[in-house]
Amino acid sequence: AQSVAQPEDQVNVAEGNPLTVKCTYSVSGNPYLFWYVQYPNRGLQFLLKYITGDNLVKGSYGFEAEFNKSQTSFHLKKPSALVSDSALYFCAVRSYSSASKIIFGSGTRLSIRP
Amino acid sequence: GAGVSQSPSNKVTEKGKDVELRCDPISGHTALYWYRQRLGQGLEFLIYFQGNSAPDKSGLPSDRFSAERTGESVSTLTIQRTQQEDSAVYLCASSPQRGGNTGELFFGEGSRLTVL
Repeated sequence: AQSVAQPEDQVNVAEGNPLTVKCTYSVSGNPYLFWYVQYPNRGLQFLLKYITGDNLVKGSYGFEAEFNKSQTSFHLKKPSALVSDSALYFCAVRSYSSASKIIFGSGTRLSIRP
Repeated sequence: GAGVSQSPSNKVTEKGKDVELRCDPISGHTALYWYRQRLGQGLEFLIYFQGNSAPDKSGLPSDRFSAERTGESVSTLTIQRTQQEDSAVYLCASSPQRGGNTGELFFGEGSRLTVL
């Protein structure tokens, strides 16, 4: 069975500092991995995905994520946080099987203080 | 419209009533998902349709929940005999996912259900 863990309910970072939001996964075979963001009173938006190839994936709004197969992790990162990055972030996974569904983690609330 | 459309956006009902939620996916998207998001919590998988394959219903929490999809178009999620714990935002998403490939999910704005 697929599963995703986001161990931190909340991450607090000062503006301008680097940020990391953690995600680990469990899936049979190779994974597809995703990050989504949910801003207050707005729908979920796609940030980035890992399918294959380079372990460092770049996405929207300056975010990137690093796939680590040995640690089954896909942490979201940004070199310099903005107050506008404050939102709820979700990691998601599915396996390569065409019949496989996409499962989301419980979410991490990112709060950037000025 | 170009995006995923859900209706109603807001539904207040009394305990024990049936409700039906509708999702219009992006044209050409073969995959359609329903998720439930309780206040301040994560996305709980409910059901997944992929083309003409049998849907994955493994996330439906009870037999009061059912969903249908006509081909690769509209889907309806039905909750019978609603309970207060059914109160949540129900999110629909579609994807051009086909075969072994995957695309990102495109989400609707959600249907907020409140059961009194």
